[in-house]
Amino acid sequence: SAVISQKPSRDICQRGTSLTIQCQVDSQVTMMFWYRQQPGQSLTLIATANQGSEATYESGFVIDKFPISRPNLTFSTLTVSNMSPEDSSIYLCSVIQGWNEQFFGPGTRLTVL
Amino acid sequence: QKEVEQNSGPLSVPEGAIASLNCTYSDRGSQSFFWYRQYSGKSPELIMSIYSNGDKEDGRFTAQLNKASQYVSLLIRDSQPSDSATYLCAVLTGGTSYGKLTFGQGTILTVHP
Repeated sequence: SAVISQKPSRDICQRGTSLTIQCQVDSQVTMMFWYRQQPGQSLTLIATANQGSEATYESGFVIDKFPISRPNLTFSTLTVSNMSPEDSSIYLCSVIQGWNEQFFGPGTRLTVL
Repeated sequence: QKEVEQNSGPLSVPEGAIASLNCTYSDRGSQSFFWYRQYSGKSPELIMSIYSNGDKEDGRFTAQLNKASQYVSLLIRDSQPSDSATYLCAVLTGGTSYGKLTFGQGTILTVHP
């Protein structure tokens, strides 16, 4: 499976600031996905990022809060804007390989004070 | 009704026993089903995928799918303490042209020596 890396692995941020999370894949992929996992919860899809087009956001997530870039087929960023403590979560990127099998990066653990 | 539901845990089994994890889904058009294992502090790891009715075996893991009953399960034979983790059932939402996975809430499995 693809090797996926994320930066930063964790961060502690102040309320009202923004954090950009990077996701790098070692092979070209058409679609990349961003998920959120709140403490003690399961995963929720934030958006799908395709190269060369705007990201597709799921219900409850908006571009102003979670802007996404996808400049090429191996890289994407997710920004968490104007953060509040409710944004404290693990943010994960994933890619598809094979028959719709998704593989996840190691995640970014965000704490907002 | 939640889109993907897993049997409530936590589930505790003795070492060497069979652990049985269950999942039901609401979208009858779903075609692809996955089991992920997530260790504490780690990202989800894909352990099984299943697409057709019946059983699929991979080592100590067996996935079972019954589309008529909208039911998918994971059996872990000869359970080991290293199997202790949260197991997530994920369903590829029917009708989507991209890989949107909907996750269950997860079942915590503890295998005690």
